[in-house]
Amino acid sequence: DTAVSQTPKYLVTQMGNDKSIKCEQNLGHDTMYWYKQDSKKFLKIMFSYNNKELIINETVPNRFSPKSPDKAHLNLHINSLELGDSAVYFCASSQTSGGTYNEQFFGPGTRLTVL
Amino acid sequence: GQNIDQPTEMTATEGAIVQINCTYQTSGFNGLFWYQQHAGEAPTFLSYNVLDGLEEKGRFSSFLSRSKGYSYLLLKELQMKDSASYLCAVRDNQSYQKVTFGIGTKLQVIP
Repeated sequence: DTAVSQTPKYLVTQMGNDKSIKCEQNLGHDTMYWYKQDSKKFLKIMFSYNNKELIINETVPNRFSPKSPDKAHLNLHINSLELGDSAVYFCASSQTSGGTYNEQFFGPGTRLTVL
Repeated sequence: GQNIDQPTEMTATEGAIVQINCTYQTSGFNGLFWYQQHAGEAPTFLSYNVLDGLEEKGRFSSFLSRSKGYSYLLLKELQMKDSASYLCAVRDNQSYQKVTFGIGTKLQVIP
């Protein structure tokens, strides 16, 4: 199926650990994103990559480091996890040019719980 | 930056019509999206407006007034499966990729 996929779907870990979330899209899009949705359901952009280049880097602690090995993949590594990092992390992709709406397609989300 | 306001919760009856409003203040505007998000799932695209007026797509319509910084999503013939959060989102004209989301309106459809 053509889609945006993320792994893992659930992640439960202890404070202070380091963890990674992986994202892949097979829609042929040139732009990928990471969003954080907190307990109040507010969806906030963290990072965006266009053709492997970082173009959006919101005010995010530098414990969060995105990596885009190619256009179809965007991973998120989080160091020294804190309780406040508990949230659902969504990956998304879009096509910047040539489309009708250039809307974003979201992955299923990764629910991160830090204990 | 962008500031987006929408009601946090609404309730409507199955078969009825509901209008979800969204107002925004923006330093640069290049289109407004509506997304639907069912509980525990990812947001999915519903509609996009960049020019003033009404866009209709089946039971869903979206309206935009750029001069008023105002949009609404109209849902007709409500079904129980329409119970979800509806997110208003504004695209920045400085950075085409940057889309700022509102807090979302949680719609409950009751029998």
